[in-house]
Amino acid sequence: SQQGEEDPQALSIQEGENATMNCSYKTSINNLQWYRQNSGRGLVHLILIRSNEREKHSGRLRVTLDTSKKSSSLLITASRAADTASYFCAKRDSGGSNYKLTFGKGTLLTVNP
Amino acid sequence: DTEVTQTPKHLVMGMTNKKSLKCEQHMGHRAMYWYKQKAKKPPELMFVYSYEKLSINESVPSRFSPECPNSSLLNLHLHALQPEDSALYLCASSQVYAGERSYNEQFFGPGTRLTVL
Repeated sequence: SQQGEEDPQALSIQEGENATMNCSYKTSINNLQWYRQNSGRGLVHLILIRSNEREKHSGRLRVTLDTSKKSSSLLITASRAADTASYFCAKRDSGGSNYKLTFGKGTLLTVNP
Repeated sequence: DTEVTQTPKHLVMGMTNKKSLKCEQHMGHRAMYWYKQKAKKPPELMFVYSYEKLSINESVPSRFSPECPNSSLLNLHLHALQPEDSALYLCASSQVYAGERSYNEQFFGPGTRLTVL
């Protein structure tokens, strides 16, 4: 079963605004990753944050991780219409399989021009 | 080459057909994955191959049969599928590291959109 839960399920904003998506989970993790999926296409890896890290940046992306609350957030700053996509968090459990990622349900982000 | 390619892009098949999905990567990754994704849902892991050996089978019905003929290729053989098997089938690959170093960033192909009539 999927353990990652993103909220909101859907988010609609105007170009130039910031978008924040949250992900909660229940188990101890080795790392948490964020992926983007344009409609009907493959997933693209955005950023990975390890369990001993609290914040990472990549361009307009900022990811935070709070292991005490078992939650992560993805912030996209100065959004563009091209950021319109579904965003998934995916966790790798601590001590679990090296290969298994469990994906959350995703947030559908719509950026209006 | 940082791409994972999948063929065909679209496939329509009857319940009695036999077909195969193909996946290829040339990034030197030694782990390859099949996922199934239904509309508006997250990807669900089906199989993992590590060093061309089946490492994980997530209790997938036997009408799905994976094959990894070499380190660059991954196939998914389909036989006697049901209409509920219609979905986007995604292939992915990743590096393999030992133990906790295996951060497991996965690279995905564009998927095969499968329709079972």
